[in-house]
Amino acid sequence: DTAVSQTPKYLVTQMGNDKSIKCEQNLGHDTMYWYKQDSKKFLKIMFSYNNKELIINETVPNRFSPKSPDKAHLNLHINSLELGDSAVYFCASSPTGWDNQPQHFGDGTRLSIL
Amino acid sequence: QKEVEQNSGPLSVPEGAIASLNCTYSDRGSQSFFWYRQYSGKSPELIMFIYSNGDKEDGRFTAQLNKASQYVSLLIRDSQPSDSATYLCAVNMFRDSNYQLIWGAGTKLIIKP
Repeated sequence: DTAVSQTPKYLVTQMGNDKSIKCEQNLGHDTMYWYKQDSKKFLKIMFSYNNKELIINETVPNRFSPKSPDKAHLNLHINSLELGDSAVYFCASSPTGWDNQPQHFGDGTRLSIL
Repeated sequence: QKEVEQNSGPLSVPEGAIASLNCTYSDRGSQSFFWYRQYSGKSPELIMFIYSNGDKEDGRFTAQLNKASQYVSLLIRDSQPSDSATYLCAVNMFRDSNYQLIWGAGTKLIIKP
């Protein structure tokens, strides 16, 4: 059973389109995250939710909007896609948001903007 | 100064030797430290975590933490070609009333047969 699953795995779309990425975890964790990993492989936190409540909201364009319908799901919607949005987006989860909790990652969504 | 610094490599190590990966961090108050392995095209995978000064061993892997020097390292003994990957150091830091994992840029490790 996949612990943290993201869909789709690959997303190829044109500039200006709107797209969503879905994430689900079956680990019973309270906290979920969205990361962006660019071509230089640097992992950057975008958002974090703890039990459906937004707790980390880094400086990302407001074209990116997370949504957590329940603590097992965290989706990411992106409006008006731009070339610079091309990256791998990882969803992750941890038992809580406290400091000694490792994070478990999904397989990533590879977004390519044409 | 970056909050978490790693040498980007690549670090080339012969098979069977010890690979030593290093990481320094800026926040003296950090308490939790993690090493992740990321194969090309895959997601980060937790290898080890360490909270206390000293060494922590798990199989061929040893994490070493020195909070006074703000330094954490990962040793891989008896390196295998399958250990070739990018190793990411992550440090938990308190930011804006929450803990955040702050990531290094990763060290690319190549094990040569």
